[in-house]
Amino acid sequence: SSELTQDPAVSVALGQTVRITCQGDSLRSYYASWFHQKPGQAPVLVIFGKNNRPSGIPDRFSGSSSGNTASLTITGAQAGDEGDYYCNSRDSSGNHHVVFGGGTKVTVL
Amino acid sequence: EVHLVQSGAEVKKPGESLKISCKGSGYTFSKYWIGWVRQMPGKGLEWMGIIYPGDSDTRYSPSFQGQVTISVDKSVSTAYLQWSSLKASDTAMYYCARPVDTAAAGTFQHWGQGTLVTVSS
Repeated sequence: SSELTQDPAVSVALGQTVRITCQGDSLRSYYASWFHQKPGQAPVLVIFGKNNRPSGIPDRFSGSSSGNTASLTITGAQAGDEGDYYCNSRDSSGNHHVVFGGGTKVTVL
Repeated sequence: EVHLVQSGAEVKKPGESLKISCKGSGYTFSKYWIGWVRQMPGKGLEWMGIIYPGDSDTRYSPSFQGQVTISVDKSVSTAYLQWSSLKASDTAMYYCARPVDTAAAGTFQHWGQGTLVTVSS
């Protein structure tokens, strides 16, 4: 199986830019998806594929990937962007198995 | 509009069995995988497994293989997650989720509201 590693926490000043990373071998073969979860709520998909946003997700969210690292960038962070962010991808075995990263807590100062 | 509606919170004792549900609507249920995700109190998301309602093809995370059973009844557009003998460590929020398209496995765009399972003596 594979693992995806995320930094536990990051902070960003209101209106500034923050990048959240996700590392793992499976990311050399598969794109990451990114989810935002606020306390007491179900996760929300914010980025998937090469750099796709579901309908309703602001364009301040963007994704990129290089080698074994996927990144989620929030450009002009807002107070509502606080919460936990999780990456996931298929694991290296393929076969529709999926793995989540441990999550990054984002604080907007 | 796609909706996934999960069954209500459960409080069980260790050793008891349980089956929770996830009913899909607003799309062709048989054509999209449905996944289950665990979130223990204060912890991150864990992928448990996934099922394809069209033919009941099921894949489990190695961490959950043998611990739970995922099933589906496409006649009522409902997926299930069940335990035969609960443990206190099964206490968690459980989410069902549907990928963004028919080919995707983990790109969960649509989520149920979650079912809180509490196991305590």
